[in-house]
Amino acid sequence: EDQVTQSPEALRLQEGESSSLNCSYTVSGLRGLFWYRQDPGKGPEFLFTLYSAGEEKEKERLKATLTKKESFLHITAPKPEDSATYLCAVQDNYGQNFVFGPGTRLSVLP
Amino acid sequence: DSGVTQTPKHLITATGQRVTLRCSPRSGDLSVYWYQQSLDQGLQFLIQYYNGEERAKGNILERFSAQQFPDLHSELNLSSLELGDSALYFCASSGRGSGNTQYFGPGTRLTVL
Repeated sequence: EDQVTQSPEALRLQEGESSSLNCSYTVSGLRGLFWYRQDPGKGPEFLFTLYSAGEEKEKERLKATLTKKESFLHITAPKPEDSATYLCAVQDNYGQNFVFGPGTRLSVLP
Repeated sequence: DSGVTQTPKHLITATGQRVTLRCSPRSGDLSVYWYQQSLDQGLQFLIQYYNGEERAKGNILERFSAQQFPDLHSELNLSSLELGDSALYFCASSGRGSGNTQYFGPGTRLTVL
């Protein structure tokens, strides 16, 4: 059974203080790993898709990386508007559905 | 804006009742997915439809059912509602060159009193 864990559960940063969020997964054949950002009461907003170990994607202050067991979402010089819950999901080679992790709740203080 | 629309935004009803949630996927997407998000459980996959046919089932209760119509919009029917069914219900769609990426709608907040 596919499993996804995320750490830390919550993270408070000062504006400009870079950090990383972790997503560890167990899957029988990874088809894709997905990062989403979710604001309270809103739908998840797509950020990145990673397909194979060693792959990296960047968008503004965010950079996602992938290994065979985990993915990191690096946040460089975050701003208060980066405050949100960041969700990681995996899709295996056998199914269509995603398995989501519980998320990391990020707060960036001005 | 993801291009996925959901109605209604909010729904308040009583235990034992039945409700229907509606989703319109992004233009050209053939796959529609339904998820439930409650405070203590995170995002749980319920069911997927592809071009009108059921493709995958997750933790969907027997009281819940869904369908996808020829115009590709989808409806999630929830019956014999219980207090524990109160949650955010999201629809997502994929296809049209986006590969496996799912794009989510804004959700329907269901409150069962």
